[in-house]
Amino acid sequence: DAGVIQSPRHEVTEMGQEVTLRCKPISGHNSLFWYRQTMMRGLELLIYFNNNVPIDDSGMPEDRFSAKMPNASFSTLKIQPSEPRDSAVYFCASTTYPLAEGGGELFFGEGSRLTVL
Amino acid sequence: DQQVKQNSPSLSVQEGRISILNCDYTNSMFDYFLWYKKYPAEGPTFLISISSIKDKNEDGRFTVFLNKSAKHLSLHIVPSQPGDSAVYFCAADGGSNYKLTFGKGTLLTVNP
Repeated sequence: DAGVIQSPRHEVTEMGQEVTLRCKPISGHNSLFWYRQTMMRGLELLIYFNNNVPIDDSGMPEDRFSAKMPNASFSTLKIQPSEPRDSAVYFCASTTYPLAEGGGELFFGEGSRLTVL
Repeated sequence: DQQVKQNSPSLSVQEGRISILNCDYTNSMFDYFLWYKKYPAEGPTFLISISSIKDKNEDGRFTVFLNKSAKHLSLHIVPSQPGDSAVYFCAADGGSNYKLTFGKGTLLTVNP
């Protein structure tokens, strides 16, 4: 079975440019998460979708960030305009809600490493 | 304010010995704890979890201990193997069933 698929794996862009990160969750999973990993802050939850609906976007840093999930098999995270401090690894993860005892399996993609110059 | 802290950025252990990775938390609402392992250029993968109603959970070479009064949990790996070399993240949930708060991770190196 295919895991969570993210693209691109690496993105280098210049400040001010628009960046779009893409994610295909595991088929049958009804929950999708976008995380950001930085040295300073570790892994932070940006946004959580359940059944394609954004449930919690309290981690989205500012209006420059937006996320969509138009259907159960695709999500995007967009940064416009991008800034150097957005440089990080962005992970998409999916699972079946809720995280039950004995599980807790968030299935992560391999991540998209973003560098904003 | 970090609610989940892994105070050791790195740990080095000899193959065959025990690895002990520690994690402290400050939020008393956390009731479910997990450990994830991450290899370079890969996403984190779930390793083991424990509910706050337990103080120990074991899965093969991996055991997680929870001390609620101290707000402390630890992951024991016995015996350690070179393939265990990875970054280990501690995570916690406070009843949301989805919102995990992660620590910054500990890099474990198991030397042959």
